[in-house]
Amino acid sequence: DTGVSQDPRHKITKRGQNVTFRCDPISEHNRLYWYRQTLGQGPEFLTYFQNEAQLEKSRLLSDRFSAERPKGSFSTLEIQRTEQGDSAMYLCASSLLASTLYGYTFGSGTRLTVV
Amino acid sequence: GQQLNQSPQSMFIQEGEDVSMNCTSSSIFNTWLWYKQDPGEGPVLLIALYKAGELTSNGRLTAQFGITRKDSFLNISASIPSDVGIYFCAGYNGGSQGNLIFGKGTKLSVKP
Repeated sequence: DTGVSQDPRHKITKRGQNVTFRCDPISEHNRLYWYRQTLGQGPEFLTYFQNEAQLEKSRLLSDRFSAERPKGSFSTLEIQRTEQGDSAMYLCASSLLASTLYGYTFGSGTRLTVV
Repeated sequence: GQQLNQSPQSMFIQEGEDVSMNCTSSSIFNTWLWYKQDPGEGPVLLIALYKAGELTSNGRLTAQFGITRKDSFLNISASIPSDVGIYFCAGYNGGSQGNLIFGKGTKLSVKP
């Protein structure tokens, strides 16, 4: 297992287009988290899943954002009608329920640029 | 919402020097974490602190969980060029959520 995998690493899109990112967590991890990181800031929580259930969404997750984890394994984050303010690094992390913090591992992120 | 104040924002040091950075919060956390992030990569966990007053080391890194549970510091001894990066503190309050609250980071530059 090579850790948390995110695809693509970079995405440039025109304003108004839809984009979708994928996260493959560490295989035995049942919790999966999405964060957003803008330049000069720390990561900010967006949402998390326990298995396939989406249990919490932050206020940062506007109606244009949707996340899924259909089979409790990989997850997708879709942004509809992208805006320039959506430009950021989108980070995925996963952990084991039993050791929520100790195994909390981040992927390398997807860098989104909206032009 | 909860915020973490991390200082300094940036540091420029000579190789071999010791480094100290800290993080304070307006509210209590049950756990403090310290991460390092290299350009274009995700944060990598350095040290986790689970108890007020706890002092934990990981090689040249030492971190402490403040007694008030509202602060934490990270020390790096005898810095080397590969210590360059952005260091983040993160707090966690427990419960069923599992989401972390991050500081804004301390950018460390090391001159050989």
